[in-house]
Amino acid sequence: AQKVTQAQTEISVVEKEDVTLDCVYETRDTTYYLFWYKQPPSGELVFLIRRNSFDEQNEISGRYSWNFQKSTSSFNFTITASQVVDSAVYFCALSEITGSGYTGKLIFGQGTTLQVKP
Amino acid sequence: DVKVTQSSRYLVKRTGEKVFLECVQDMDHENMFWYRQDPGLGLRLIYFSYDVKMKEKGDIPEGYSVSREKKERFSLILESASTNQTSMYLCASSLIGRGPNQPQHFGDGTRLSIL
Repeated sequence: AQKVTQAQTEISVVEKEDVTLDCVYETRDTTYYLFWYKQPPSGELVFLIRRNSFDEQNEISGRYSWNFQKSTSSFNFTITASQVVDSAVYFCALSEITGSGYTGKLIFGQGTTLQVKP
Repeated sequence: DVKVTQSSRYLVKRTGEKVFLECVQDMDHENMFWYRQDPGLGLRLIYFSYDVKMKEKGDIPEGYSVSREKKERFSLILESASTNQTSMYLCASSLIGRGPNQPQHFGDGTRLSIL
C-alpha cells in the first residue's frame, strides 16, 4: 500500500533559523510523483513543487530547497532563513497508482504545522 | 493562473438541513475533488470526479453525495447535515491532459459549522 508519513506534527522556530520538514513515503512502484503544498492561515493549499521518481536532483527555489533521496524514500523540504510569512501547514503528497495506472488522486501526509516566531 | 472558487468561505447550517457546497474551476480541468480537513486527520478525500456526470467514492463518502453536470462545476451535497460534518471542506481540480499527475489546484476552502 502507498503511504506518506510526516512525523513532525508541529515545529516552532525563531525567524531566520533554517528548518527542515521531513517526508517519508512508501510505494512499490518505480515511477511515481511527489508533491509539496503549503496551507497558510487563509486556508487555500498552494502547490509548491512536483518531483518525479527519476529525477533525484535537489531543487532550490529562493529560500526553499527540496532533497529527494530514493534510497531512504524521503522527500524533505528545507526553508532557509525562515520568515514569519512561512508560518503554515505543509503537506507532502504522493501520486496514487493502482493496477490500472495513475488515478489522478494524491495520498497526503498528515501535515506539519510550522510556526515562525519573530 | 488556475482559479478554483468555492461559493462560501464560512457557512452555518442546522442539523438535518440539506447543504450544498459549490466549486467552480476556470481551467477546463477534467478532474475535480472534494476533501474535508480536520485537526489531526489531515486531508481526507470524500469524492472524486474525472469527467462530467462521472464520480467515484473517496475514503469517506458516507453522508455525502456529489453532482457534476458541467465540466467546470462540482457540487458537494450533505443530504441531512449532522454535527460530525462540521469541518473545513476543500475543493481541488487537476488536468489529465499532459500526462499523469498534474498538480491539484485548491480553492480557499469552506468552513462549515453544523449546529
